[in-house]
Amino acid sequence: SSELTQDPAVSVALGQTVRITCQGDSLRSYYASWYQQKPGQAPVLVIYGKNNRPSGIPDRFSGSSSGNTASLTITGAQAEDEADYYCNSRDSSGNHLGVFGGGTKLTVL
Amino acid sequence: EVQLVQSGAEVKKPGESLKISCKGSGYSFTSYWIGWVRQMPGKGLEWMGIIYPGDSDTRYSPSFQGQVTISADKSISTAYLQWSSLKASDTAMYYCARLVSSSWSPMYYFDYWGQGTLVTVSS
Repeated sequence: SSELTQDPAVSVALGQTVRITCQGDSLRSYYASWYQQKPGQAPVLVIYGKNNRPSGIPDRFSGSSSGNTASLTITGAQAEDEADYYCNSRDSSGNHLGVFGGGTKLTVL
Repeated sequence: EVQLVQSGAEVKKPGESLKISCKGSGYSFTSYWIGWVRQMPGKGLEWMGIIYPGDSDTRYSPSFQGQVTISADKSISTAYLQWSSLKASDTAMYYCARLVSSSWSPMYYFDYWGQGTLVTVSS
């Protein structure tokens, strides 16, 4: 199995740029996907693949990857971006099994 | 429009059985994996397992193998998550989600999610 490691909490000033990272061996072979979850709501996909945004996701959200680390960047963070963010990827077994990171609580100051 | 609609909240006693559902619409139900994700109160997302309704191929996280059963009825585009004997520690929100994954691509993501089913197990 694999693990994905995220920082538990990150903060950013309103309008500034923030990067949320996700580390794991499986990220050397598979893309991470990123999900935003607000209190009482289901998760929402915000980034998938190399750097793809689903329809309706603002372009201030972007993704990147290097080695065993994937990153979600929010350029010009807004108050409504305050949420929990989770990374997800396929694990190294190659059997379509997956894993989530522990989540990062983003606070917009 | 792709939709996953889950069954309603459940309150059960320890030892009871339970089966919750996730009905897909707006796409070819047999062509995508459906996954189940657990979120315990105040905690993060946990990957439980997936099923490919086209052939009922099912995979489980080692953490959930033997604890739950995932199934699907493709004739009614519905996936299920069931327990034979609930424990208090099964209290959680459970989400189903459509998984995009193939053997020849590094892509892997859940693009559509159900609204969640809250399961409460208490004596």
